[in-house]
Amino acid sequence: DAGITQSPRHKVTETGTPVTLRCHQTENHRYMYWYRQDPGHGLRLIHYSYGVKDTDKGEVSDGYSVSRSKTEDFLLTLESATSSQTSVYFCAISLDTNYGYTFGSGTRLTVV
Amino acid sequence: EDQVTQSPEALRLQEGESSSLNCSYTVSGLRGLFWYRQDPGKGPEFLFTLYSAGEEKEKERLKATLTKKESFLHITAPKPEDSATYLCAVQAGGSQGNLIFGKGTKLSVKP
Repeated sequence: DAGITQSPRHKVTETGTPVTLRCHQTENHRYMYWYRQDPGHGLRLIHYSYGVKDTDKGEVSDGYSVSRSKTEDFLLTLESATSSQTSVYFCAISLDTNYGYTFGSGTRLTVV
Repeated sequence: EDQVTQSPEALRLQEGESSSLNCSYTVSGLRGLFWYRQDPGKGPEFLFTLYSAGEEKEKERLKATLTKKESFLHITAPKPEDSATYLCAVQAGGSQGNLIFGKGTKLSVKP
């Protein structure tokens, strides 16, 4: 989507290795979110940010950490990847809490 | 617990055959209900936001309605290009914009 970029698009990693996914926006939106999407579960919130250095946990935050040092970048880190973290990860941005999200194109992560 | 349930899980229609998708929800203080479309391998694309019971919104062949317990996405005379997964999400009062998503309805429209 224009204005929001996720990298990498695909990644295969080994169990136990650290992994960082990046979300970059050019829209200057205050709110940024990380979701994972799995068959049978739909989209579930991992972490979100409501400003630079302001973050909070979502529904499925165990095993994940985030950082937001600049408005435009929101990083998701898997400290020690496990097979249960194999998923498609989506970043989303929102101008304000009453607005819908704009989603990125997703990162497909496979942990082997 | 806030919850969103979408039905049916999958729907197959012939081109021109109108139908509706359902999204039922339980949430503490609804701030908004959102509909998204998701194509395979892509991120969800925003369609509508509804804020209060009785509200309706339209876009091309799609019309979304909202009651106090559920929302419907009506598809009139669908075309094959309407094939996608449609996601419903709710935002609860007091949330930091967090959305709770349903599992989606996969729509297939055959020519």
